[in-house]
Amino acid sequence: EIVMTQSPATLSVSPGERATLSCRASQSVSSNLAWYQQKPGQAPRLLIYGASTRATGIPARFSGSGSGTEFTLTISSLQSEDFAVYYCQQYNNWPLTFGQGTRLEIK
Amino acid sequence: QVQLQESGPGLVKPSETLSLTCAVSGYSISSGYYWGWIRQPPGKGLEWIGSIYHSGSTYYNPSLKSRVTISVDTSKNQFSLKLSSVTAADTAVYYCARCGIAVAIDYWGQGTLVTVSS
Repeated sequence: EIVMTQSPATLSVSPGERATLSCRASQSVSSNLAWYQQKPGQAPRLLIYGASTRATGIPARFSGSGSGTEFTLTISSLQSEDFAVYYCQQYNNWPLTFGQGTRLEIK
Repeated sequence: QVQLQESGPGLVKPSETLSLTCAVSGYSISSGYYWGWIRQPPGKGLEWIGSIYHSGSTYYNPSLKSRVTISVDTSKNQFSLKLSSVTAADTAVYYCARCGIAVAIDYWGQGTLVTVSS
């Protein structure tokens, strides 16, 4: 099983600033890495797939990078609606696995 | 537009079997993709349970494999989850989703809370 490790667990950032979230895989997942945003009481929403491709309707302030085992989600100029929990997920191998999440909170 | 909707009991007794169904609209399951279940205990992260292809081929999370059965009914365009011998640790929001290898999870159901309690 591929273990996905996200850091930090919690990130405090002021609106308008940049947030950088990290995700590490215990073995290579190529570019088969996705990022999801989850707000309270809602299902996760796909933000990024293929490590760097924005999903339909996702604003350009969200960007993903990386391949292999190291990945980054960057949110430039944070908006109030961006404060949520973010998960990475690998879909390169069974079983599908998620990171434990990063909570992005308002500083 | 693809939509998924979970249905099933919100309360299950310990040691019994949890059963949920996911109805898919806007896309024919027979056309392809894997379809599966993901759960999230209250206040915790996401855990993939298992996925099924329209042919019936299944993949399960090894940690749950002995208790999980996922099946598909292409005539009704739906798939189902059965989780046996449940305990309080199985209390979670259960999501159905389009999820498999080589494809990110682009469609999710709204989720349904299942509580295991006597």
